[in-house]
Amino acid sequence: EIVLTQSPVTLSLSPGERATLSCRASQSVGNYLAWYQQKPGQAPRLLIYDASHRATGIPARFSGSGSGTDFTLTISSLEPEDFAVYYCQQRYNWPPITFGQGTRLEIK
Amino acid sequence: EVQLVESGGGSVQPGGSLRLSCVASGFTLSAYSMNWVRQAPGKGLEWLSYISSSGTTIYYADSVKGRFTISRDNAKNSLYLQMDSLRAEDTAVYYCARDFLLGAGFDSWGQGALVTVSS
Repeated sequence: EIVLTQSPVTLSLSPGERATLSCRASQSVGNYLAWYQQKPGQAPRLLIYDASHRATGIPARFSGSGSGTDFTLTISSLEPEDFAVYYCQQRYNWPPITFGQGTRLEIK
Repeated sequence: EVQLVESGGGSVQPGGSLRLSCVASGFTLSAYSMNWVRQAPGKGLEWLSYISSSGTTIYYADSVKGRFTISRDNAKNSLYLQMDSLRAEDTAVYYCARDFLLGAGFDSWGQGALVTVSS
């Protein structure tokens, strides 16, 4: 089973700042990696698929990069609505499909 | 508008059973593979099961293999999860999620159904 480790666990930033979230895989997942945003009481929302492609309707301030074992989600300038929990997910070697444990992005 | 609506959640005693349903609208369910994902209170996301568009290919996470059964009825635009031999650790919000056709990811999710297993 591929383990995804996200860092940091919690990230405290202010609106307007740049956020950099990391996801590291225990073995290569190629570019079969997705990122999700989840707000309290809501279902996750797909942000990025195949490591670097924005899903429909996702603002351009969200970008994904990486391949193999190291991936990054960058939010170029934080908006108030961006404070949430972010998860990465791999679908290279499955089943099982696995998720990272999440990074909580909180307002500083 | 693409919509997935789960139902069937509730409270059950350990060892009991529940059947979750997920009704799709705004798209043709038969064209998509589907999944179930759960989230225990205050915890992260856990993938549980996958079913191909035709229903011929099915996978489960080890944590539910032999206890949960995924199925679908494309004519009724519905996905199901039969959950047997429920345990306290199965307490979670259960989501149905649609496979994204263009790449790795789940592009649509239901609102979730809460399942509580407690004596």
